[in-house]
Amino acid sequence: KNQVEQSPQSLIILEGKNCTLQCNYTVSPFSNLRWYKQDTGRGPVSLTIMTFSENTKSNGRYTATLDADTKQSSLHITASQLSDSASYICVVSSPNDYKLSFGAGTTVTVRA
Amino acid sequence: NAGVMQNPRHLVRRRGQEARLRCSPMKGHSHVYWYRQLPEEGLKFMVYLQKENIIDESGMPKERFSAEFPKEGPSILRIQQVVRGDSAAYFCASSPERAGSAGELFFGEGSRLTVL
Repeated sequence: KNQVEQSPQSLIILEGKNCTLQCNYTVSPFSNLRWYKQDTGRGPVSLTIMTFSENTKSNGRYTATLDADTKQSSLHITASQLSDSASYICVVSSPNDYKLSFGAGTTVTVRA
Repeated sequence: NAGVMQNPRHLVRRRGQEARLRCSPMKGHSHVYWYRQLPEEGLKFMVYLQKENIIDESGMPKERFSAEFPKEGPSILRIQQVVRGDSAAYFCASSPERAGSAGELFFGEGSRLTVL
């Protein structure tokens, strides 16, 4: 069964600090990995999407990494802001699998 | 260019009533997906539709749940005779091509169903 495990489940950081979220997956074969940000009560919004050949992709203060060999990804948030408080979801897909495999998310709380 | 539009955003129903959730995909998108999200759980696939066709409904309970995407109008997720366990957030997503490729998947804001 394809699985996506995210850690930590939640974390609290002070405004201006950095943090890193982890995503491990067993999905095979692999097509791409996406990170989404989901604000409370809202729908997920795409941050990055990476294919097999991509190791790093940035979107502003968000930087995602991918190691397809070890099946691990991370999302690094630099100089956190209060608006970064949200759930961050890792989503992995196979070439012909439209169902996608969703992680349970990491809830980030940024405090002033 | 409007995004994926879902309504209602919040819906309260009593046990045994029917719930109808609507989703209008982004302009030009012909692929629609419905997902269900319970608190502190990941989104779970329910059904995949294209215009007038149900491609895969394997994630949807066989009883009480149905979905459609007519030639004209929004996609509708229908839950008959709701029970308390149906309380969840239901998200619709659309894409210009089949998800799983490198194409983008756009989500609506969700419909939150509460069953009393």
